[in-house]
Amino acid sequence: KQEVTQIPAALSVPEGENLVLNCSFTDSAIYNLQWFRQDPGKGLTSLLLIQSSQREQTSGRLNASLDKSSGRSTLYIAASQPGDSATYLCAVIAAGNKLTFGGGTRVLVKP
Amino acid sequence: GAGVSQSPRYKVAKRGQDVALRCDPISGHVSLFWYQQALGQGPEFLTYFQNEAQLDKSGLPSDRFFAERPEGSVSTLKIQRTQQEDSAVYLCASSLFSEEQYFGPGTRLTVT
Repeated sequence: KQEVTQIPAALSVPEGENLVLNCSFTDSAIYNLQWFRQDPGKGLTSLLLIQSSQREQTSGRLNASLDKSSGRSTLYIAASQPGDSATYLCAVIAAGNKLTFGGGTRVLVKP
Repeated sequence: GAGVSQSPRYKVAKRGQDVALRCDPISGHVSLFWYQQALGQGPEFLTYFQNEAQLDKSGLPSDRFFAERPEGSVSTLKIQRTQQEDSAVYLCASSLFSEEQYFGPGTRLTVT
């Protein structure tokens, strides 16, 4: 059974610092990996999707890497801003199309 | 264009009541998913439709949970005889086929 783990569970940084969020998964037979942002009381916003054949994806200040063989992905957020404060979730898709989520990393960026 | 919408946004039910949660996916999206998110945790898969066919219901926690998508667009998740442990946010997502999933705002269910 696929298990997804995110460490740390919570992170607090001063504004301007780079953020590094980690995600690991136990079964490397995945189709793709998706990073989401969730604001309190809201649904999930998709940030980046990395296909299993890709090593990384970039969007603005966000960069996500994928090392399928070691079961790891890292989300980098450059020059963090208070508006980046949210919970970040990673999820993998394997056979069956369903997403398996990690528990999330709660990020606070202090002004 | 319109995203995924869910209604109601909040639902309070007395233990033992039946509830129905609605999901309107993005127009033209073939795949529809339901997830359950407990407080402070990541979402967990409940069930998956491709058009009107329910292809996977392995995540439904008990036979009190039932989902349908009769015309391949709108879906309803029904919970019978609600229990306190059913309190959670229920998220719906849709995708064109099996790629990127787009989520609705969720329905927060509180069972008292």
